[in-house]
This record gives sequence, C-alpha cells and structure tokens, in this order.
Amino acid sequence: AQSVSQHNHHVILSEAASLELGCNYSYGGTVNLFWYVQYPGQHLQLLLKYFSGDPLVKGIKGFEAEFIKSKFSFNLRKPSVQWSDTAEYFCAVNNQGGKLIFGQGTELSVKP
Amino acid sequence: NAGVTQTPKFRVLKTGQSMTLLCAQDMNHEYMYWYRQDPGMGLRLIHYSVGEGTTAKGEVPDGYNVSRLKKQNFLLGLESAAPSQTSVYFCASSSGGDLRSRGYFGPGTRLTVT
Repeated sequence: AQSVSQHNHHVILSEAASLELGCNYSYGGTVNLFWYVQYPGQHLQLLLKYFSGDPLVKGIKGFEAEFIKSKFSFNLRKPSVQWSDTAEYFCAVNNQGGKLIFGQGTELSVKP
Repeated sequence: NAGVTQTPKFRVLKTGQSMTLLCAQDMNHEYMYWYRQDPGMGLRLIHYSVGEGTTAKGEVPDGYNVSRLKKQNFLLGLESAAPSQTSVYFCASSSGGDLRSRGYFGPGTRLTVT
C-alpha cells in the first residue's frame, strides 16, 4: 500500500539554523509530492509541490525541497529558520488514483 | 470564493450518539477527502470521493460513513460515536487525481467523544 514516512517527529532548532526534514514514500508509479505546513491553531497550507521537471522545487517563505526519485525521497530544506517557522510540517503524496496520503508530521520548534 | 468550509467547528458527543459533519467547497472540485488528525499520527484518510455520487474507503474508514449527493458537498457521518473517534477532522478538495491537482483544506472540526 502507498505510504509516506517522515523520520523526524519533533525538531528543535535555534533561529538562523539550517533545516532539513526527511520524507520518504513508497509508491512505484508517477506521483505528485507536497509539503504542507500547519501553524498553531490553523489549518493546513500548501508550502510547495512537485509535479515534474526540475527536481529542486522552491516554495514560499524560503523553503525548498528536492525530489530524489531513486531514493523515493522528498526532503524539505530551509537555509536559515525563523521563530515564525514554528509549526507542524506534513509531507504528502498523490498518485494518479487521487488518494492524497500524508506522513505522520514533523513538529518544528524554533527558539528565538 | 469561500474555498473549503466545514460545519460545525466544535462538537462534543456522548458515546453512542450520532452526528454528521458537513464539508462544502465552491471551487467545482471533483475530488473531496475526509481526514482525521491525531497527535503523532499525521493526517489519516478516512474516505474520499472522486466525483458526485461516488465514495471510496481510505486508510481508516471503520465507524464512519460518507455521502456525496452533490458535487460541492461531502458529508461524514458517525452513526455511533466512540471515544476513539475524538480527533480533529479535516476536509479537503482537489481538482482531480491528475498531475496538476493539489489539496485545499478546510479549517477543521474538533470533535470530542466522552
């Protein structure tokens, strides 16, 4: 069955530190890949998405993600985090069948 | 456009009671989804629909039923609520399962079953 795995459950960083959140998926066919962010008390918002083309995708607020097909990975990165990046981050996969499957989420806490 | 809306925002039920959560979208999307969000579990797909009149099971469908009588609405029903169904429920919609679709989420419904 299709699944998404996020390796880090809770990440704590200081401001200006670099961020990398891991995401791996298990599906052999064509997929769309997403990172969503959920700020405290809010609903999910799309951070960035990959459909095809350049495997390095840039999103909002300085985030980027790299799709590595051979590793079934779509890791999220940001060179320098801010306190306002404190949120929960979800990786998701959508195959052509239409099911949008999410990972377990990674809680990011940024200390000022 | 209102996007995706959910009714109600909060609800407290007693074990065995029933209720229906309503999701509405005004983007003419074909696909709609119901998820539940629990700490450490991420979002788990309960049921989804790929078009008006269709429904399909997701990862955790037991104890829930859904209906999609109108394209813009997707209802989630709990016939006999259990404490294990205490969760935050999110509805989402997308234009389809093609390579350009992405999910738009509602604000969530916080359900407590005592």
